[in-house]
Amino acid sequence: DAMVIQNPRYQVTQFGKPVTLSCSQTLNHNVMYWYQQKSSQAPKLLFHYYDKDFNNEADTPDNFQSRRPNTSFCFLDIRSPGLGDAAMYLCATSRRQGLTDTQYFGPGTRLTVL
Amino acid sequence: GDSVTQMEGPVTLSEEAFLTINCTYTATGYPSLFWYVQYPGEGLQLLLKATKADDKGSNKGFEATYRKETTSFHLEKGSVQVSDSAVYFCALSSNTGNQFYFGTGTSLTVIP
Repeated sequence: DAMVIQNPRYQVTQFGKPVTLSCSQTLNHNVMYWYQQKSSQAPKLLFHYYDKDFNNEADTPDNFQSRRPNTSFCFLDIRSPGLGDAAMYLCATSRRQGLTDTQYFGPGTRLTVL
Repeated sequence: GDSVTQMEGPVTLSEEAFLTINCTYTATGYPSLFWYVQYPGEGLQLLLKATKADDKGSNKGFEATYRKETTSFHLEKGSVQVSDSAVYFCALSSNTGNQFYFGTGTSLTVIP
């Protein structure tokens, strides 16, 4: 089945130690998104790629970066994780640009910062 | 700015009960509105959507009508099942298509 895969499902890192979260998709969608969801809060869009074009949300901290080496993969890099970055990170894809298009989500990676 | 406010949970219902989860929005112009559902251990998936006023989205027995006059998009189902137990998220896409906002989610548990 075509799907969005996130690895790992659970990630533990230390304060200040860089960490990378991975997302891959078999849907061949043009757009990939990263969301941050803290406990009992709404998922918050961090950034998205339309093909190779990177679109950063205005309030996404500089500590968060992303890479998309090809259509199938997208990475979220947190350069110096703080305790406040502990959250569920959700990857999503859509066929077309424009956030009115249906998004397909992976199961998420839960990040713990010690 | 644009935002979505949804009914706080958790909600617990008996099987075959009627479900309403309230969602209201604040937006400029004519946003698109969505309900996403997250079953235990799975990613969010689109349940239904509506892109203009008075549109009704429906899927799997769930319905929601885009009401511009009350800025609402309430989710309803006439008879819930145990398998409907999940977290439900209301969401909005701005009329420019450049911004997307989720509500905080409402947890639903249906008991036999």
